[in-house]
Amino acid sequence: EVQLVQSGAELKKPGESLKISCQGSGYTFSTYYIGWVRQMPGKGLEWMGHLYPGDSEIRYSPSFQGRVTISADKSSSTAFLQWSSLKASDTAMYYCARQSVEMATGAFDIWGQGTMVIVSS
Amino acid sequence: DIQMTQSPSSLSASVGDRVTITCQASQDISNYLNWYQQKPGKAPELLIYYASNLETGVPSRFSGSGSGTDFTLTISSLQPEDIATYYCQQYDNVPWTFGQGTKVGVK
Repeated sequence: EVQLVQSGAELKKPGESLKISCQGSGYTFSTYYIGWVRQMPGKGLEWMGHLYPGDSEIRYSPSFQGRVTISADKSSSTAFLQWSSLKASDTAMYYCARQSVEMATGAFDIWGQGTMVIVSS
Repeated sequence: DIQMTQSPSSLSASVGDRVTITCQASQDISNYLNWYQQKPGKAPELLIYYASNLETGVPSRFSGSGSGTDFTLTISSLQPEDIATYYCQQYDNVPWTFGQGTKVGVK
């Protein structure tokens, strides 16, 4: 079964660092993009950026560039999203999702279950 | 960034009704448009890819059409399990962008 399994919910204080994970299984991890999508409470979906594990290409949305870091460990088929200094406005659900590199099928076809991040003093 | 505008923002229809949601892109995106369904408390799920292709396992009452800047998601006969928020998403240009969502309820 193809799946993405994300790390558990986090409760952090402003200014703290955080790294959440997304482990793929059931497919060749290095041949699909892994994207990260934010959903703030009661709001819509926002694409943050993606990584292609095959060559470590990373693209960020301008809205998130400099605020987060996307990385991956091919040996464990795991992608990461990290913050160096959290803000209350980072409180949200974060999803990872697989995306094909082929433009004719380039949808997010497999999603992780989501990681809830709460930042509060 | 390419702006995606969905309408309506919400709707309520009866079981068996035909439901249509539209999505307009701020520039030509060819057919690089996907549709997702998100039920409360769940991750989004892919319904339609490349504007009109039904994802495996998705009921045939869902269909997508359009190209360029104007796209449509149709539910031919609304079912109670279709209560959800629906999002369009373009992948013609980075950053990929989503519409603001359409919340579908049942009368």
